[in-house]
Amino acid sequence: EQVQESGPGLVKPSETLSLTCTVSGGSMSGYYWNWLRQPPGKELEWIANVRDSENVNYNPSLKSRVTISLDTSKNHFSLKLSSVTAADTAVYYCAREGSAYNYFDFWGQGTLVTVSS
Amino acid sequence: DIVLTQSPATLSLSPGERATLSCRASQSVSRYFSWYQHKPGQAPRLLIYDTSKRATGIPARFSGSGSGTDFTLTISSLEPEDFAVYYCQHRSNWPLFTFGPGTKVDIK
Repeated sequence: EQVQESGPGLVKPSETLSLTCTVSGGSMSGYYWNWLRQPPGKELEWIANVRDSENVNYNPSLKSRVTISLDTSKNHFSLKLSSVTAADTAVYYCAREGSAYNYFDFWGQGTLVTVSS
Repeated sequence: DIVLTQSPATLSLSPGERATLSCRASQSVSRYFSWYQHKPGQAPRLLIYDTSKRATGIPARFSGSGSGTDFTLTISSLEPEDFAVYYCQHRSNWPLFTFGPGTKVDIK
């Protein structure tokens, strides 16, 4: 199983950050798929996950600005973060949650997204 | 909210030495405790889950232990490829995940 993030590396303040995670080498069905981020010099932060249309969860601190979606036909899932500020500058990771739900067994290499005008 | 504190921040050791990394939770937590290895420019790698279970393909020199508020990752004999940053992680209030700040293991 492999996962790989893609999307713009630069987003303007107040705009929407959009990232896609492509999954290869296995089925997406039955797993939770996650987005996390790590701002420079700060700790890893979990953003959201999705298993199917009925199982979607968000970090309360970001919930009002985040949308996560899943497209199993295209083997990918996506993140949208609206109204970004410089505080949203971070390396964004996608990851698969393990079958026991409490850890991440496959991660992408991460993609740096900078919020700047 | 549970806070995870890792110590030391940096551990300087030589290949062949034993590494003991600590992660302390701000309150007693369940056994759903994990450890990850992260090298620059690479994907983080799951080492240990459920406190002491090695992930698929992880060498036996990596082991995890602990309970309550104190958890430990031990690398019995450091190999050159083990020099990296190590993060602990816990899932306390579903669906939230919490990570520690990391311990950097570097070459002495």
